[in-house]
Amino acid sequence: QVQLVESGGGLVKPGGSLRLSCAASGFTFSDYYMSWIRQAPGKGLEWVSYISSSGSTIYYADSVKGRFTISRDNAKNSLYLQMNSLRAEDTAVYYCARASEGRTAFDYWGQGTLVTVSS
Amino acid sequence: QSALTQPRSVSGSPGQSVTISCTGTSSDVGGYNYVSWYQQHPGKAPKLMIYDVSKRPSGVPDRFSGSKSGNTASLTISGLQAEDEADYYCCSYAGSYVFGTGTKVTVL
Repeated sequence: QVQLVESGGGLVKPGGSLRLSCAASGFTFSDYYMSWIRQAPGKGLEWVSYISSSGSTIYYADSVKGRFTISRDNAKNSLYLQMNSLRAEDTAVYYCARASEGRTAFDYWGQGTLVTVSS
Repeated sequence: QSALTQPRSVSGSPGQSVTISCTGTSSDVGGYNYVSWYQQHPGKAPKLMIYDVSKRPSGVPDRFSGSKSGNTASLTISGLQAEDEADYYCCSYAGSYVFGTGTKVTVL
């Protein structure tokens, strides 16, 4: 069965950096687009970034452009999110999600990892 | 892109139907048939309930249905059950993705 397991969250000071990882299993990882989606405490969902199956196409939300970098290692079935220049407003649960075959929806989600940006 | 607009909350009694609206613009909801809906219980990850406006993934009860008219998409839950009490989010794909503001469904 499809499994997505995020890790790497934690407490970081404003201006600091953090790298999230997502380990995928149960499907051919290299065939699918992947995304990061976040949810601030008590708030709604916000799409953050996506990466194509090969890694050649990448998009970011304006709120993280220039600060976050998405990447993947298909040999390791892993997705990453490097987060730099973190701000208090980046505090959220970060979910790794698989895009559907048509890329129009997110058909599987991880359990999320909490990132807290605070001094 | 601005978040799609959803009502903050809707409620209904068991067995009744409720409908959640999701309003965007001609650049997102109105321009493409790529609206999806997600159910999220407290402390859990979202679950895909509807994609491409009205398609149901396998395993999702047929009590859940989706539709669209102009710039507004809708999710209808028929025969409301206690386990349907959750937050629901719409999402539109138009090259990138934008989520709705979220709706809390309460079963009275």
